Amino acid sequence: DQQVKQNSPSLSVQEGRISILNCDYTNSMFDYFLWYKKYPAEGPTFLISISSIKDKNEDGRFTVFLNKSAKHLSLHIVPSQPGDSAVYFCAASAISGGSNYKLTFGKGTLLTVNP
Amino acid sequence: DAGITQSPRHKVTETGTPVTLRCHQTENHRYMYWYRQDPGHGLRLIHYSYGVKDTDKGEVSDGYSVSRSKTEDFLLTLESATSSQTSVYFCATAYATGSKAFFGQGTRLTVV
Repeated sequence: DQQVKQNSPSLSVQEGRISILNCDYTNSMFDYFLWYKKYPAEGPTFLISISSIKDKNEDGRFTVFLNKSAKHLSLHIVPSQPGDSAVYFCAASAISGGSNYKLTFGKGTLLTVNP
Repeated sequence: DAGITQSPRHKVTETGTPVTLRCHQTENHRYMYWYRQDPGHGLRLIHYSYGVKDTDKGEVSDGYSVSRSKTEDFLLTLESATSSQTSVYFCATAYATGSKAFFGQGTRLTVV
């Protein structure tokens, strides 16, 4: 049973426009969420995170929105650049439930930004 | 970024042989993880460690074992490799609960 779902395997946008990547989760215990970016032949790198006590977190061109009632989060990239082309993974964890810390990842979304 | 070294980076092995992948970190992070990445499956957790000699199973642990005898090293062993274990394996570390995880460069394992 997939607890973190990224239902769009791929997304293509024009340079300068907004990219919106979506993520849904089913485990109501999740209270910490992260986005990672992965280039081919490299390990994933951390992009941005958000705690469940917030509904928005911003870092430069990247903003993550969290809708707890819908169990949905999204990553907005504005403006999109060709260098943003990569696979984006959504990850979630339950850090306040007393269990050991582990991240559950979605299947990823391949973002292609066209010049 | 955390200094995470995975070895080997590439390996081809035969079905039925044992294989050990090593993850070494220099940041004294408490948590260490092994994930595998496969097309259509994303990153799936195999095993993780929350301290020296403290390990637990992830979602795809069958056929794998781990050991952590020192803070800096986390070993992943395939006791008898099968073709279904052909994958890219990533090690990750995190220094505390609620912190971001850092990933190694990956090990591409092919079982023939």
